[in-house]
Amino acid sequence: GAVVSQHPSRVICKSGTSVKIECRSLDFQATTMFWYRQFPKQSLMLMATSNEGSKATYEQGVEKDKFLINHASLTLSTLTVTSAHPEDSSFYICSARLREAEQFFGPGTRLTVL
Amino acid sequence: GDSVTQMEGPVTLSEEAFLTINCTYTATGYPSLFWYVQYPGEGLQLLLKATKADDKGSNKGFEATYRKETTSFHLEKGSVQVSDSAVYFCALSDAGANNLFFGTGTRLTVIP
Repeated sequence: GAVVSQHPSRVICKSGTSVKIECRSLDFQATTMFWYRQFPKQSLMLMATSNEGSKATYEQGVEKDKFLINHASLTLSTLTVTSAHPEDSSFYICSARLREAEQFFGPGTRLTVL
Repeated sequence: GDSVTQMEGPVTLSEEAFLTINCTYTATGYPSLFWYVQYPGEGLQLLLKATKADDKGSNKGFEATYRKETTSFHLEKGSVQVSDSAVYFCALSDAGANNLFFGTGTRLTVIP
């Protein structure tokens, strides 16, 4: 149990285009999901906390207009990278909270912006 | 603020060697502590956790003890296998908080 999926696993796009990444909790409902970014050989950096039915909470330094988060249902959160640029290339990971202080992670999405 | 400091890698060990990956933390309150593992090409998986001082988390032969006096949560395994090759992340979640704070990760390679 407690499986989280992400789609797509890899995406390559041209600079200036927008990319949507989906995060789904497959066998449980999650009122809270998280989006992380992982740079090569570095740790995960929390970008935002996504709450079902309400606006996401963004961490300091993360542009909310660039990284749009929607958590429309208890099993789905989406991250849209708008007007992507090469510096947005990274590994994006979502997680879903099953219970207090316990998160389950998706396999990640590697975004490459040309 | 909350933070986690983790032993830098990479670490290369021979099969059946003893493993220690150091992790220390800074937190207000009483955090829960975690070790996550990321196998090549996969997402993070919870390896073990401890929610209060002196608790020992264990799984798959790995152990870590929550030491409040030294603010540490070192990961150990008595005899590593090739299949343990992965990146290991230490993390904390402060009491009442939703999010996790991660260390920088330690890449472990076990050679036959």
